[in-house]
Amino acid sequence: AQTVTQSQPEMSVQEAETVTLSCTYDTSESDYYLFWYKQPPSRQMILVIRQEAYKQQNATENRFSVNFQKAAKSFSLKISDSQLGDAAMYFCAYRSYNNDMRFGAGTRLTVKP
Amino acid sequence: GAGVSQSPSNKVTEKGKDVELRCDPISGHTALYWYRQSLGQGLEFLIYFQGNSAPDKSGLPSDRFSAERTGGSVSTLTIQRTQQEDSAVYLCASSPVWETQYFGPGTRLLVL
Repeated sequence: AQTVTQSQPEMSVQEAETVTLSCTYDTSESDYYLFWYKQPPSRQMILVIRQEAYKQQNATENRFSVNFQKAAKSFSLKISDSQLGDAAMYFCAYRSYNNDMRFGAGTRLTVKP
Repeated sequence: GAGVSQSPSNKVTEKGKDVELRCDPISGHTALYWYRQSLGQGLEFLIYFQGNSAPDKSGLPSDRFSAERTGGSVSTLTIQRTQQEDSAVYLCASSPVWETQYFGPGTRLLVL
């Protein structure tokens, strides 16, 4: 079974600065999808960014970008120009070709004003 | 447009009682997922529906848990003879096949 590991339970960043959240996964598949979700205190899970494994180009969504290293099975999230509203739990997720979805344990991001 | 909705938003029950949690997916989404999130923890996969069938029930923690989906739309997660360790937030998500999952707001279950 696929596993997703987020090795940073908590991270902190100063407002307007950049932070990188780490994620690694284990799989024997070649086709899959990777996601970063954000969960603020309201507990609503919000999609931040997604990456298809067959695409070599790293996904970017405004201030959010990923560093996808397929051979290393690494999928980190970079948040640039951090804002107070970015404070939340961030979950890395893997979805296999047969729709099996697995989440990491999450990283709690604090943004300091 | 309407997102994924879940009801009730909060449920308090006594140990040993049965509870039903409901999920209304986004119209047209064929895939539906149930997850459990304990306090401060990540998401634990419970079950996945493709249409009305559940090809993967491997995540259901015990035979007290069951789920069904009718008409390819609404899904109900039932927990029988609830235990205190069942207390958690139960999240539902839906998606078109092979696409991004969209989550509901969750049901917070507290078993006393």
